[in-house]
Amino acid sequence: GAVVSQHPSRVICKSGTSVKIECRSLDFQATTMFWYRQFPKKSLMLMATSNEGSKATYEQGVEKDKFLINHASLTLSTLTVTSAHPEDSSFYICSAGKLTLGNEQFFGPGTRLTVL
Amino acid sequence: AQSVTQLGSHVSVSEGALVLLRCNYSSSVPPYLFWYVQYPNQGLQLLLKYTTGATLVKGINGFEAEFKKSETSFHLTKPSAHMSDAAEYFCAVSAGGTSYGKLTFGQGTILTVHP
Repeated sequence: GAVVSQHPSRVICKSGTSVKIECRSLDFQATTMFWYRQFPKKSLMLMATSNEGSKATYEQGVEKDKFLINHASLTLSTLTVTSAHPEDSSFYICSAGKLTLGNEQFFGPGTRLTVL
Repeated sequence: AQSVTQLGSHVSVSEGALVLLRCNYSSSVPPYLFWYVQYPNQGLQLLLKYTTGATLVKGINGFEAEFKKSETSFHLTKPSAHMSDAAEYFCAVSAGGTSYGKLTFGQGTILTVHP
């Protein structure tokens, strides 16, 4: 149980285009979803926290107009990287949590974004 | 505010040897502590967690960790390393309560296992 999927697993796009990444909780309804960014050989940095039906809360230094997060349902959150640039290339990981499942996040497999 | 420090970005052991990955944390409230493992180009898998209760926590794949409040530590150990343990390991802290779920990660420790 508590499986989280991400789609796509890899995406390559041209500079200036927008890319959408989906995060789904497959077998539970997630109270909260989190988006992380992982640079090569670095730790995970929390980008934003989103609750279903409300606006995402972004961490300091994360551009909310650049990284659009939508959490339309209890099983789906999307991260859209708008007007992507090569410096946005990274590994993006989502996680989902539910209070009744304890203070634990369940992580997706990640999405490797490469911007040319 | 919380923070996590993992001592040693790389640890190398021989197969069959003891694995010890160090983690120290700072938290203004009682912490929830986690160890995750990450294989290349994959997401994170939970190894074990401490929330309340017994301070020695056993996880998957033979790993365990002990919460020591006086030392603000949560070191990860495994008595005998296996080749399949080679991966990157992350320690994380969550404040729980009203900060439910928000994790702060350490820098990660890459474990190499030699035959």
